[in-house]
This record gives sequence, structure tokens and C-alpha cells, in this order.
Amino acid sequence: KNEVEQSPQNLTAQEGEFITINCSYSVGISALHWLQQHPGGGIVSLFMLSSGKKKHGRLIATINIQEKHSSLHITASHPRDSAVYICAVLETSGSRLTFGEGTQLTVNP
Amino acid sequence: DTAVSQTPKYLVTQMGNDKSIKCEQNLGHDTMYWYKQDSKKFLKIMFSYNNKELIINETVPNRFSPKSPDKAHLNLHINSLELGDSAVYFCASSPTGVFSTDTQYFGPGTRLTVL
Repeated sequence: KNEVEQSPQNLTAQEGEFITINCSYSVGISALHWLQQHPGGGIVSLFMLSSGKKKHGRLIATINIQEKHSSLHITASHPRDSAVYICAVLETSGSRLTFGEGTQLTVNP
Repeated sequence: DTAVSQTPKYLVTQMGNDKSIKCEQNLGHDTMYWYKQDSKKFLKIMFSYNNKELIINETVPNRFSPKSPDKAHLNLHINSLELGDSAVYFCASSPTGVFSTDTQYFGPGTRLTVL
């Protein structure tokens, strides 16, 4: 079992839909990182959070440390949101960053 | 004015060869990283340097040797390339300490194909 599990693995949505991607982890962490990998391969850091909630444009990330769970929400989804979304956790020791396997999101017009 | 740049973007080579991938960041960051993304798109940390000092060295064959001539550069040299080394290698940087809660900035990746 991976220490970081993402669900779903694949997600197809229609433009305008509200999207949720989940990340669960089994280790103690000091922070959690959401990344976006574009179809061309480039990686962009979306959020780094250690508690509560962060918002940037149509993207919202939440984390519940007690439940060891984070969600990434996309409101009013658009085809340009199509990408792989990757969750990574920074373990409490601060010396290890462990990645989930990613969620492939496809938003159709 | 690219923030994190890598060269080359594509590298095709024969088994047994030695090759290098270069990474430069112009953000003034203290920490740089090398990641490997395998064919299943799974990312793994390989190395991290903070101010030219090796901080993290995950379980990576010693055929891989990172070199940091200054804090703006972290190059990856690979000896005796093997088929399993085929992957996309990403360089990244972050402002302060290794795996602090700073955002990381990624380079565009180098796709290495070993024939």
C-alpha cells in the first residue's frame, strides 16, 4: 500500500462541473503539496499547505490533519484544467517527500 | 528569463554511455532538487542540495552523481547508462531549506531515452 493514495485515478468531467480530487496519507506530515502536470509534461506547484484551506482563483485546497486527508477542488472546470494532479506529503521528519500516483483529469467542452 | 532551466530537453543515448543533464535557476533560491519520473508517471526525489551541500540522497545507484558548482546550478551526471534509467528527469528549486514549506519551482524536464 502506498503511503500516499489519490482518488480517483482518472476523472472525466464536462466543462463547468465542480471537481474534487482526494489525497489520503498514512504518515505524520508537516505539509502537503498539490502539483499540476500539464499534458506537455511541465509541472507547476499549486499549493503547499499545512492546515485549513487555501484558495487561488478557481482552485481550492483543504487539509484535515487529524483525518490525514486533503482535497483539491476545481470550480467551474474548463478544458484547460485537463492535467495530472499530484499530491505529495512532506513527512514530519522533514526529510522525505512522498508522491501519490496522480489523478488524470480530463475536462470536455 | 526562465526561472528553472534544464539542458538538454531530450537525450537519446546508448547503454553504457556517460551523460550529464544541467540545471540552472535564476531565482536566488538556496535549495535545488532532482526528481525522476518513470514511465508510469510516478515522481520520486533523487537528490537535494542546499547552498551547494548535499542534503538528501535517496536510494539511487552510485552511477548517478550530482554536482553543484554554485547554488544556482545542480547538474546530474550518470555513468554507465542502463535501460532502466530511461525516464523524465526534473530539476526544481525552492527558496530556503530542503523541503521547507516553500513552493518548489520546476524545470521543464529532460526526457532521457537509453537504447
